[in-house]
Amino acid sequence: DTAVSQTPKYLVTQMGNDKSIKCEQNLGHDTMYWYKQDSKKFLKIMFSYNNKELIINETVPNRFSPKSPDKAHLNLHINSLELGDSAVYFCASSQHSGWAAYEQYFGPGTRLTVT
Amino acid sequence: AQSVSQHNHHVILSEAASLELGCNYSYGGTVNLFWYVQYPGQHLQLLLKYFSGDPLVKGIKGFEAEFIKSKFSFNLRKPSVQWSDTAEYFCAVLPGGGADGLTFGKGTHLIIQP
Repeated sequence: DTAVSQTPKYLVTQMGNDKSIKCEQNLGHDTMYWYKQDSKKFLKIMFSYNNKELIINETVPNRFSPKSPDKAHLNLHINSLELGDSAVYFCASSQHSGWAAYEQYFGPGTRLTVT
Repeated sequence: AQSVSQHNHHVILSEAASLELGCNYSYGGTVNLFWYVQYPGQHLQLLLKYFSGDPLVKGIKGFEAEFIKSKFSFNLRKPSVQWSDTAEYFCAVLPGGGADGLTFGKGTHLIIQP
């Protein structure tokens, strides 16, 4: 069973469109994340979210919004796509409670290409 | 805010050579440290992690890392590399108790020549 899954794997779209990437985890974790990996392979946290708190990286444009219908899902919605949004987006999850922090499990990634 | 530096951006080794990839972090408090590997076209996989206790941690595929608190370092080592170790390696830090995501270094692209 896939622990963290993402759909779609590839997404090609035009500038100005709105798109969503879905993420699901079946690990029972309470915290989920979105990361962006640019063309130079640099990984940067975009959001982390659990039932209580959404933490947003201040550098993320407000065109990006995470949506969590339930504890096992954290979808990424992007409005008005721009060329610079082209990247690989990784979802991850972990169990976080109090001062304990455990390793994050990553999904396979979604390669977004904006033309 | 915390940051992570990986000093070697590209490393080329021959099979059976020994490997050491440097990682330094900046953060004043308790941290959790990780090394992830990304094989070509694949997602990130955890190689090893340090939370507390023995500063020498062993991971999968023969990798190990040593946490040296005084040097803010967490270098990755492998005594004898294989062609299949060709990949991108990322060091990452998570402040103790932090739920705001991992901070990654810029990665080291490792190429093993047969």
